[in-house]
Amino acid sequence: DGGITQSPKYLFRKEGQNVTLSCEQNLNHDAMYWYRQDPGQGLRLIYYSQIVNDFQKGDIAEGYSVSREKKESFPLTVTSAQKNPTAFYLCASTQAYNYGYTFGSGTRLTVV
Amino acid sequence: AQTVTQSQPEMSVQEAETVTLSCTYDTSENNYYLFWYKQPPSRQMILVIRQEAYKQQNATENRFSVNFQKAAKSFSLKISDSQLGDTAMYFCAFMNYGGSQGNLIFGKGTKLSVKP
Repeated sequence: DGGITQSPKYLFRKEGQNVTLSCEQNLNHDAMYWYRQDPGQGLRLIYYSQIVNDFQKGDIAEGYSVSREKKESFPLTVTSAQKNPTAFYLCASTQAYNYGYTFGSGTRLTVV
Repeated sequence: AQTVTQSQPEMSVQEAETVTLSCTYDTSENNYYLFWYKQPPSRQMILVIRQEAYKQQNATENRFSVNFQKAAKSFSLKISDSQLGDTAMYFCAFMNYGGSQGNLIFGKGTKLSVKP
């Protein structure tokens, strides 16, 4: 079945460490997105990529980095510069914007 | 910049009854898409219904329907015959055709509880 796989489901990070969240899709979608979800804040856009080897900053890109070397993969690195990284992270993709996004099941990141 | 506002942080409804969730948005664009997403306790985001701004007819998907008022920039979701499985966070979202095309802008969500 086609879909988006995010891994791991839960991730713990020590302060000062970088950590990478994985997002893989087998839907052959061109566009991929990373969102952060905090209680009471809805979803906020971190980065997006509409084509391989190209990506754009979203509304809250500071402290994050991404790459898009393959169409199916869009990993997100949470760097030590991100001051408050504890959150739920959602990856999404789309091929036809009028049909909205397909979402992964998310990664819960906790800084310990 | 476009914004999406959901004015009801929490709502509850009795099983089998009807409930309406409110959403307003702000944009200067004329062509755009609107969506309602459901996020149950599993946290998987599920598309409930979508509306294209150029279509005057309100979208319907089984028990879910919308009231789209373009002039008022309002996009409410009506759930009929509420079921326990409808308990979830509901997010209203906006996407324009041009500019940063394809970027969904979300409201802060409404937590819906369906009570037996």
